[in-house]
Amino acid sequence: QTVVTQEPSFSVSPGGTVTLTCGLSSGSVSTTYYPSWFQQTPGQAPRTLIYSTNSRSSGVPDRFSGSILGSKAALTITGAQADDDSDYYCVLYMGSGIWVFGGGTKLTVL
Amino acid sequence: QVQLQESGPGLVKPSQTLSLTCTVSGGSINSGNYYWSWIRQPAGKGLEWIGRIYTSGSTNYNPSLKSRVTISVDTSKNQFSLKLSSVTAADTAVYYCARVTGGGFWTSWGQGTLVTVSS
Repeated sequence: QTVVTQEPSFSVSPGGTVTLTCGLSSGSVSTTYYPSWFQQTPGQAPRTLIYSTNSRSSGVPDRFSGSILGSKAALTITGAQADDDSDYYCVLYMGSGIWVFGGGTKLTVL
Repeated sequence: QVQLQESGPGLVKPSQTLSLTCTVSGGSINSGNYYWSWIRQPAGKGLEWIGRIYTSGSTNYNPSLKSRVTISVDTSKNQFSLKLSSVTAADTAVYYCARVTGGGFWTSWGQGTLVTVSS
C-alpha cells in the first residue's frame, strides 16, 4: 500500500513562514489526489484547513494556504502565530474510494 | 450547520465486536453528495481512515481493515454505524466520524469517542 509521507516535526519562529509537505512513497501528488490539510491540538478533533489542494475551509485565516510544490502537496503558513503550534495532517484520495492519511507533522512555534 | 456525534461502548473485550454510531444533526443524512466516514487515532499516533458509506449504501474500506469492518447507514434515524470485529488491543483508539463531499471537502467532524479494548 502506498504510504503518504509528512515531515515528523518542524519549527518556525513567530511571524515566520513555514511550508509543510505531503508526498507519496511512490509517485507524485497532483490535484487529482484532492489533498486536504487538518490542524489538531491535543484532545481535540481535527479541524479542516484546506481541501481540494488549495480551497480554504470557512473561517480559516488566509495565512494558511495550500498548493502543489513539485511532487508534493504543501501547506504554507505565512506569519505563524503561537496558536498555530499544533499537529498537522494531510490526507490524499487514492482512487477507488480509498483515502490515506499522512503520519502528521508536529509544528512548534518558538 | 451539520453536527456529528459518536456514541457507543467505551470498553470492548478482546475478540469481540466494536460497535459505534454517528448521529447526524442539523441536516439529513440523505441529502446532498456526501460520504459518511470513520477515522480512528490511537493515543499519541496519527489518523487512520477506516472507511466510508454513501447514502445509497455503497461502501469503501481501508484494505488493511476490510476483512473486519462493516459500515452501515440508517436513514430513518439519521445515523451511520461502524462495526469492527475480532478486536485486539491494537484497535484501542479515539474513533471519529466525519462528512466528506464528493469533491473531497471534509466538512464536519465529530468530537471523537475513546474505545478501549481490554479484558
